[in-house]
Amino acid sequence: EPEVTQTPSHQVTQMGQEVILRCVPISNHLYFYWYRQILGQKVEFLVSFYNNEISEKSEIFDDQFSVERPDGSNFTLKIRSTKLEDSAMYFCASSGQSLRGQFFGPGTRLTVL
Amino acid sequence: AQSVTQLGSHVSVSEGALVLLRCNYSSSVPPYLFWYVQYPNQGLQLLLKYTTGATLVKGINGFEAEFKKSETSFHLTKPSAHMSDAAEYFCAVSDSTDLQAGTALIFGKGTTLSVSS
Repeated sequence: EPEVTQTPSHQVTQMGQEVILRCVPISNHLYFYWYRQILGQKVEFLVSFYNNEISEKSEIFDDQFSVERPDGSNFTLKIRSTKLEDSAMYFCASSGQSLRGQFFGPGTRLTVL
Repeated sequence: AQSVTQLGSHVSVSEGALVLLRCNYSSSVPPYLFWYVQYPNQGLQLLLKYTTGATLVKGINGFEAEFKKSETSFHLTKPSAHMSDAAEYFCAVSDSTDLQAGTALIFGKGTTLSVSS
């Protein structure tokens, strides 16, 4: 069964550095999402992406975040200047045209030191 | 604004016992409701969903949930727990009428289910 993949599984970075988290959505899906989960807290929506543009974003998704679909398969989340509070598990998801729901990847654990 | 409350961050049951994981939501429009499961070191897997129609929905692995509008609840149940059911379970709501439009899911904090032999 097709699945969403994410790389890397764990990223450690220094505060102030830029990180790029990568996702490969399910191939025939058109809608892409990023969520994050800070340890012990809720899974929170960051952004959704459709037709090469952001369709919805939360107040968490400020100017230090950006998303891109650089080619036909990858979907990336960039954090320009990481902060300690960006440490979290970041989940990518994708969905298609039907009401089958969003399919999630295994997540990337980001640790900012 | 919509929100989800999962009562009980940790539920422990014996193998073969009934599983009941509670979820209450608030939404200003008829909600779409979801349960996801996360096994260790894996992503969130959709267990079941309610969009419209029958209020009792069946999902994978023997789980089911009932949408009760009057109680604003969507509790997850399984008649007989297996050891393999041990995982974290998340309830989520989307109150958009158009699930195709990149609508955000609003998640609860999750409930960890432990199953003992």
